[in-house]
Amino acid sequence: AQSVTQLDSQVPVFEEAPVELRCNYSSSVSVYLFWYVQYPNQGLQLLLKYLSGSTLVKGINGFEAEFNKSQTSFHLRKPSVHISDTAEYFCAVSPTNSGYALNFGKGTSLLVTP
Amino acid sequence: DTAVSQTPKYLVTQMGNDKSIKCEQNLGHDTMYWYKQDSKKFLKIMFSYNNKELIINETVPNRFSPKSPDKAHLNLHINSLELGDSAVYFCASSQGTGDEQFFGPGTRLTVL
Repeated sequence: AQSVTQLDSQVPVFEEAPVELRCNYSSSVSVYLFWYVQYPNQGLQLLLKYLSGSTLVKGINGFEAEFNKSQTSFHLRKPSVHISDTAEYFCAVSPTNSGYALNFGKGTSLLVTP
Repeated sequence: DTAVSQTPKYLVTQMGNDKSIKCEQNLGHDTMYWYKQDSKKFLKIMFSYNNKELIINETVPNRFSPKSPDKAHLNLHINSLELGDSAVYFCASSQGTGDEQFFGPGTRLTVL
């Protein structure tokens, strides 16, 4: 079984400041790692994913994440946030050897203010 | 064109009623899913179908029954609705393991 912990439920940040949203996971098998974003009253959209290879993954909208196997972490970062980045961010894992479903963390609400 | 569509977007109904939510994807994907998002925004997988066959069936009351008439459709039927069923239900699809899952806009179900 897998579990995902998003360490911060809410992250307030000023516009143009850097941000890091933290994600740790636990799994007895190898996993794929994902970050999804949910804007208010919308479905989820993929920001980025780690399957294999380079541990630094770049995604859409200027986001990037780094996979750290020893720390079982997959933190999401952006060097300069915009008001439009205000949304709910979900970290998720999926086992590589079987199954397809995503196991989600509880989400981090990013609030960007002027 | 909408990749993953769900109908209805909003559903308000009384306890004890039976209702269905429809999902269609036009991406040619083999796998479709239903997720439930509760009031605290926690997302949990309910079902997954691959090529019309059920492959994941999480601990969900048997009042919930998914039906996949073809690869492009995965409908969710709920019998005897309860207050605790109030949530947002998301349909999603993907080509396979590790691939991006594309989510529908969600159906907000309110049981009174």
